Amino acid sequence: AQKVTQAQTEISVVEKEDVTLDCVYETRDTTYYLFWYKQPPSGELVFLIRRNSFDEQNEISGRYSWNFQKSTSSFNFTITASQVVDSAVYFCAFSYGQNFVFGPGTRLSVLP
Amino acid sequence: SQTIHQWPATLVQPVGSPLSLECTVEGTSNPNLYWYRQAAGRGLQLLFYSVGIGQISSEVPQNLSASRPQDRQFILSSKKLLLSDSGFYLCAWIGQGGEYFGPGTRLTVL
Repeated sequence: AQKVTQAQTEISVVEKEDVTLDCVYETRDTTYYLFWYKQPPSGELVFLIRRNSFDEQNEISGRYSWNFQKSTSSFNFTITASQVVDSAVYFCAFSYGQNFVFGPGTRLSVLP
Repeated sequence: SQTIHQWPATLVQPVGSPLSLECTVEGTSNPNLYWYRQAAGRGLQLLFYSVGIGQISSEVPQNLSASRPQDRQFILSSKKLLLSDSGFYLCAWIGQGGEYFGPGTRLTVL
């Protein structure tokens, strides 16, 4: 069965530190999509990235970067020089066919 | 452009009362629609999804139900709310064009 694991329940860092959020998925499908969403205290989901299973190229967007390793079924998310505004719950998600599965989320607290 | 509307934004209901949350989408036809629930401090749990009018798949058996009376309308209901129904409810449209989430409804059952 398809499953997304985010082993880190909560992470606290001090501002300007780099932080990596781990995501591991399980699937037998060859065609799928992976996502990261940010959920601030207000609750809405903020889309960060969508990556298909055939594109293993890593991506950088400002302070955000993503490392997709198909060999280890991981899609990790790194925030460089973290800021207080990065504090939120971050969800990794997996999509296959009509199904869209979220990981349990990682609560990131960035302290000033 | 694609838009998802949810209402109400917040709701406080007593235990045993009925519930109706509505989700409508714009900018697409025949979307796959989803209801997720997030209990306090927890992850997002898929409750129902629908691939078309009148077609509902339930992921978790509980006292909630869903209906799809129109192509772009998805309703989450309950006849009698439980305390454990409190949470944040998200409607989503997921399809070839992308993935879109509504603003959510925060439900508190007292």
